[in-house]
Amino acid sequence: SQQGEEDPQALSIQEGENATMNCSYKTSINNLQWYRQNSGRGLVHLILIRSNEREKHSGRLRVTLDTSKKSSSLLITASRAADTASYFCATDAGYSSASKIIFGSGTRLSIRP
Amino acid sequence: GAVVSQHPSWVICKSGTSVKIECRSLDFQATTMFWYRQFPKQSLMLMATSNEGSKATYEQGVEKDKFLINHASLTLSTLTVTSAHPEDSSFYICSAIRDTFEQPQHFGDGTRLSIL
Repeated sequence: SQQGEEDPQALSIQEGENATMNCSYKTSINNLQWYRQNSGRGLVHLILIRSNEREKHSGRLRVTLDTSKKSSSLLITASRAADTASYFCATDAGYSSASKIIFGSGTRLSIRP
Repeated sequence: GAVVSQHPSWVICKSGTSVKIECRSLDFQATTMFWYRQFPKQSLMLMATSNEGSKATYEQGVEKDKFLINHASLTLSTLTVTSAHPEDSSFYICSAIRDTFEQPQHFGDGTRLSIL
């Protein structure tokens, strides 16, 4: 089963604009991760944020986490054509096996030139 | 570092045949590997967790006899889809970690399986 939902399911923006994706989850977590998947490929890890963190940055990426609302957001600034991909959040869902994660439903991002 | 290779990347075969997919950690030893299944435009669903030297742990609803997983070494796990049928057609992705508490997982590039 999926831990949560992502919003929007699909997003199309102009190159140079910012893209924001949201992730909601259901159970308590130790950490939340964001991954990118190019069409027909495996996943690339983008960023991990721990439950005691509220915001994290990595290059053009900014991730926020609100554990009280059980939600996270991924912001990609100054989007590029190469950012076109599907983006998934993933949580450990409080598993006793700390390495096991559950993915959200994903957001398909398209960057228009 | 932390490169995971998956082979083959694409396989087409007739209904009733068995297909083996390999997942290798190229530059690290993986105590745990995960197998996921992904349908078009959907998310990844965890099928099983594979620990080196022990039996795989399957998620609820995943048929153990249909999806055989072997993790015989610290660098190789295999998924065999036995007596494959068209409904088994999907994108299968593996991931690997060095130890139980490592995050993130390191993913292979996936295998697209098409059963005719």
